[in-house]
Amino acid sequence: EIVLTQSPGTLSLSPGERATLACRASQSVSSSYLAWFQQKPGQAPRLLIYGASNRATGIPDRFSGSASGTDFTLTISRLEPEDFAVYYCQHCGSSWTFGQGTKVVIK
Amino acid sequence: EVQLVESGGGLVQPGGSLRLSCAASGITFNAYWMSWVRQAPGKGLEWVANLKQDGSEKHYVDSVKGRFTISRDNTKNSLYLQMNSLRAEDTAVYYCVREKKGFYWYFDLWGRGTLVTVSS
Repeated sequence: EIVLTQSPGTLSLSPGERATLACRASQSVSSSYLAWFQQKPGQAPRLLIYGASNRATGIPDRFSGSASGTDFTLTISRLEPEDFAVYYCQHCGSSWTFGQGTKVVIK
Repeated sequence: EVQLVESGGGLVQPGGSLRLSCAASGITFNAYWMSWVRQAPGKGLEWVANLKQDGSEKHYVDSVKGRFTISRDNTKNSLYLQMNSLRAEDTAVYYCVREKKGFYWYFDLWGRGTLVTVSS
């Protein structure tokens, strides 16, 4: 079973700052099957990134994803007020699993 | 309009049963794998089960194996989750989710969820 470990648990930043969120897989996974989601309170998750680095339709270009081995990164280049939310990485395929989430809060 | 709409949630006693439904509209339902994902109050997301387009292949998270059954009716554009022997730890919002599988594989369309509460 693949385990995804996200860090940090909480990220405290100010609007305009850069956010870097990490997701580490417990074993080798295909980057093609790694996605990132954003979730706000009371809402369903929203797809941000698929295939580790491809932005979903309508997602602003301040969101970007990258991969290096079993390490995946979601970067928000300049935080907007609407970006403060919880972010999850997720893997499909041999096992379907989510990371535990990173909460981005206003400093 | 492209959407997934869940129904069937509610309050049930421990040991009881509940059947969730998901009605798909605006999509070619029989072209997609479909999943159920849940979220306990104040907790993270947990994938529960999924089902191939023709129903020939299904997978479950270990904690629901033998208790939950996922199924679909492509003639009705509907996905189901039969939940038996419910436990307090099954309390969650249950989301119906479309999987997009090709060179990439990811969850691309979510319903708004239905709340299941297991309590006496």
